[in-house]
Amino acid sequence: DAGITQSPRHKVTETGTPVTLRCHQTENHRYMYWYRQDPGHGLRLIHYSYGVKDTDKGEVSDGYSVSRSKTEDFLLTLESATSSQTSVYFCAISGHVQGNEQFFGPGTRLTVL
Amino acid sequence: QQQVKQSPQSLIVQKGGISIINCAYENTAFDYFPWYQQFPGKGPALLIAIRPDVSEKKEGRFTISFNKSAKQFSLHIMDSQPGDSATYFCAASGGSARQLTFGSGTQLTVLP
Repeated sequence: DAGITQSPRHKVTETGTPVTLRCHQTENHRYMYWYRQDPGHGLRLIHYSYGVKDTDKGEVSDGYSVSRSKTEDFLLTLESATSSQTSVYFCAISGHVQGNEQFFGPGTRLTVL
Repeated sequence: QQQVKQSPQSLIVQKGGISIINCAYENTAFDYFPWYQQFPGKGPALLIAIRPDVSEKKEGRFTISFNKSAKQFSLHIMDSQPGDSATYFCAASGGSARQLTFGSGTQLTVLP
């Protein structure tokens, strides 16, 4: 998985609670991405980062925030989890100048009850 | 707005057959077209990618065919094997975007 770890790998939480997912890379790549994967929708971009403290929104960013204080870590936070955020979350990294050759982590399965 | 349309949604092929998955895009600024392979419980893995300066790229049993005028590209898996059974995603990126837009995926089953 290209030197990418995600934690936790599985989480069950209740509606209204905050949740933070962590992505950690050992490749020193510039770009990091958070996607969610749902049946019939493929992978949809939530947020991405093009450097420390530099982030931008993706297609489905509502209800999510991110932070990147170090090159190796990219955090995804659900401030108040909802059942619609039940999904599998993937982190990806890229060292390509355009950020398009991406390598994915193993994923985190999140269930919001 | 879905900018990359993928078909079919599912595909069943006999061992040794050819699997073909198609994608169509709308954004003419796209200039990078990868395919990803995903096994259950795993993250997507980059399989093969093409840029529009060539019409075909082959890596082993996997070939991408690209038709710029039709804004379509396809993945061909020759001599399909049961181990190829997985979900395949096409994607595209380009222009000022530093991100990939994914198709909705094709679940391939290769029967022994």
